[in-house]
Amino acid sequence: EIVLTQSPGTLSLSPGERATLSCRASQSISSAYLAWYQQKPGQAPRLLIYSTSSRATGIPDRFSGSGSGTDFTLTISRLEPEDFAVYYCQKYSSSPGWTFGLGTKVEVK
Amino acid sequence: DVQLVESGGGLVQPGGSLRLSCAVSGLTLSNYWMHWVRQAPGKGLVWVSGINSDGSSTGYADSVRGRFTISRDNAQNTLYLQMNSLRVEDTALYYCVSSTSSSDYWGQGTLVTVSS
Repeated sequence: EIVLTQSPGTLSLSPGERATLSCRASQSISSAYLAWYQQKPGQAPRLLIYSTSSRATGIPDRFSGSGSGTDFTLTISRLEPEDFAVYYCQKYSSSPGWTFGLGTKVEVK
Repeated sequence: DVQLVESGGGLVQPGGSLRLSCAVSGLTLSNYWMHWVRQAPGKGLVWVSGINSDGSSTGYADSVRGRFTISRDNAQNTLYLQMNSLRVEDTALYYCVSSTSSSDYWGQGTLVTVSS
């Protein structure tokens, strides 16, 4: 079973700063099957990025994803006030099985 | 508008059973894989179970395999999760999710509390 390790656990930044979130897989995964979600308190998660680097519908271009093999990154180029939230990476596949990382909380410094 | 509305949660004693339902509107369910994802209070997201578009393939997390059963009724646009032998650690908000390779829709969740 693949384990996704996200780091850091918490990222303290100011609006306007750049955020870099890491997701490391315990074994190599296809870049076609790596996604990122954002979750705000009291809300369901929202898909940001799929297939490592493709933005979901309606997601602003300050969000970008990259990576391959076992190392993947979500970058928020300039943090807006609404971007402070918890972010999860997710491995999905062609069979009905998903895995989530434990999340990175982006908080206001 | 797409809506996924979960129901069936509640308080149950350890060892008990619940059946969750997810009523879907605004999309053709038969085009989507469906999943249940849970989130314990203050914790992260955990995938529970998934089922492919025609119901011929299912998957379960190790923690629920043998106790939970996922099913779907595409004609009724409804997803189900039968949960048996419930444990305290199954306490969580259970989300219903419809997914394709590039998009998904989430419900707002139904709360399951397992406690004596």
